[in-house]
Formats: sequence, structure tokens, C-alpha cells
Amino acid sequence: EVQLVESGGGLVQPGGSLRLSCAASGFTFSSYAMHWVRQAPGKGLEYVSAISSNGGSTYYANSVKGRFTISRDNSKNTLYLQMGSLRAEDMAVYYCAREWELDYWGQGTLVTVSS
Amino acid sequence: QSVLTQPPSASGTPGQRVTISCSGSSSNIGSNYVYWYQQLPGTAPKLLIYRNNQRPSGVPDRFSGSKSGTSASLAISGLRSEDEADYYCAAWDDSLSVVVFGGGTKLTVL
Repeated sequence: EVQLVESGGGLVQPGGSLRLSCAASGFTFSSYAMHWVRQAPGKGLEYVSAISSNGGSTYYANSVKGRFTISRDNSKNTLYLQMGSLRAEDMAVYYCAREWELDYWGQGTLVTVSS
Repeated sequence: QSVLTQPPSASGTPGQRVTISCSGSSSNIGSNYVYWYQQLPGTAPKLLIYRNNQRPSGVPDRFSGSKSGTSASLAISGLRSEDEADYYCAAWDDSLSVVVFGGGTKLTVL
């Protein structure tokens, strides 16, 4: 059974940093591209970032480019999102999802940006 | 403002057929596959339709997708109360080099 479990969310002050993790199981992690998608409270889905299966290619939404870094450790079956210079508008539930079709999603982790 | 345009709401009575539209451009829907996701209240999104009109295993055939030019649509036939959810369309955008989503459509079963 495919499982994606996000962690690392929490309360952070504006300008602060946070690292999210997504632990994958039930499939060959190193064979799949992975993504981060976020959803602000009461709002729709917003694409954040993607990384190819071997980590060689990364993609970012303009809203996070230069502030967020996506990475993966295929030996640990884990996806990461390093978030910096956090702003109030980054507050959201962050989901990780598998493959370009976003065929499986985690349950999400909440990031709150507030002083 | 979402890159893909969906109606904010839709509704129908049990047993009815409803359609949700998704409008884009040549750089996204016009040149790439369309995907649809269902998000039940308080849960993570779930893939409903992939590659324009394909259903993942376990998705009832009451759900169907289509695409024409720079627009796509999701049809739900035999509407049921458990279909009440938010529905999102998505596609890769060649200009932005990211996946773009529609703003979501809240489906109410009356």
C-alpha cells in the first residue's frame, strides 16, 4: 500500500525557516517524481515544487522560487522541502504527492506563519 | 487568480448528471493532459481522472472526463450524496514549467 506521511509543520515567525519531510513507503520511491502542493485555509490547491526521480531536475512556483528548496534522499525514501524567508501567505497545509499525475497524496502538514 | 478557470460552485439532485468545466490555454490544457481531483471535506485530494479521461482503479464509472482544445470537463452521472466535495482540474503548463490548478468547484448535492 502506497503511503506518504508528511511531518515538520508547525508555528514559525515571519522570516523564519522550516523543513518539511515526506516519508514514502509501499512503492519504489527512487522511480517516481515527487511534488509539494499547498492549500491555504479555506482556499484552493496551489502547486509549490517538484523534483524528478533522481533529483536531477527541480521545478518551483514563482511564489516560492529562491526561498524554498526541494530535495530527496532516495536511500531514506524521503522527500524534503526546505522553506526560508517565510511569509504570512505561506501559511497552509502542505501535501506531498507522487508522480506527475499526483496519484497519491499524504495527509498534509500544517505550516503556520505568525508572530 | 488561478491559471485554470472553474466555476466556483455546482449543484444537482441525487441521480442527476452534473458537469464541471475547466478552461485554460494553449500552454497548459491545449498541449498537455488534464487531471481531476476530488477533495472530500477535511481530507487530502484524491486523483479522480488522469490523462484527460482515464479513471484510476476504484473510481466509479459515474465519473468521466473529456477535453477539447483548451477546455476540459468532468461529468458526474447518477449523482450521490457522497459526491459532495471540492473538485479541482490541473495540467502541466509549458510556459510556467509547473502544474497549474483550477480554483476548485464546490459540488453540492441538494
